[in-house]
Amino acid sequence: KNEVEQSPQNLTAQEGEFITINCSYSVGISALHWLQQHPGGGIVSLFMLSSGKKKHGRLIATINIQEKHSSLHITASHPRDSAVYICAVLRGSQGNLIFGKGTKLSVKP
Amino acid sequence: EAGVTQSPTHLIKTRGQQVTLRCSPISGHTSVYWYQQALGLGLQFLLWYDEGEERNRGNFPPRFSGRQFPNYSSELNVNALELEDSALYLCASSQTGEETQYFGPGTRLLVL
Repeated sequence: KNEVEQSPQNLTAQEGEFITINCSYSVGISALHWLQQHPGGGIVSLFMLSSGKKKHGRLIATINIQEKHSSLHITASHPRDSAVYICAVLRGSQGNLIFGKGTKLSVKP
Repeated sequence: EAGVTQSPTHLIKTRGQQVTLRCSPISGHTSVYWYQQALGLGLQFLLWYDEGEERNRGNFPPRFSGRQFPNYSSELNVNALELEDSALYLCASSQTGEETQYFGPGTRLLVL
């Protein structure tokens, strides 16, 4: 079993829809990242969370440490949101990130 | 402020050859991480360098190695290339003690 599980694996939405991507993890962590990867391969860090909720524009990320679960929400989705969204957890002393397999999002106009 | 830079952007090698990939972290960042994203697979951790020392290593064979220089830039070396080494290699950097990692654009390696 992977230490970081994401769902769904693929997601197709119509422009304007509210989108939720889920991430569950089975290890102790010091922080959780949500990353965005566009087809060219470049990765952008969207959020880094250790508790609670963060909002940036149309993106909202939440984390429940007790339940070992995080969600990424996109409000009023747009075709430019089409990308792979990756959840990654940081196990503090080990330094490196452990990644989920990603959620491929396609937003249709 | 410049982000994390990597070179080259693309590389084609043949089986058995050796390759060196380079990464320059954001100014002021002392930690450098290397990750591999093979086709169809998720991102996997390769190496972590901080203050010139290797701090952690992922589950990769010894032919994957690297180093960090006094200016905190880093090299990833892969010896005796195999077809399955074809992947996107990503470098990330962070400040010591900070948890946010910033990613470079990656080097896409194709092994024929």
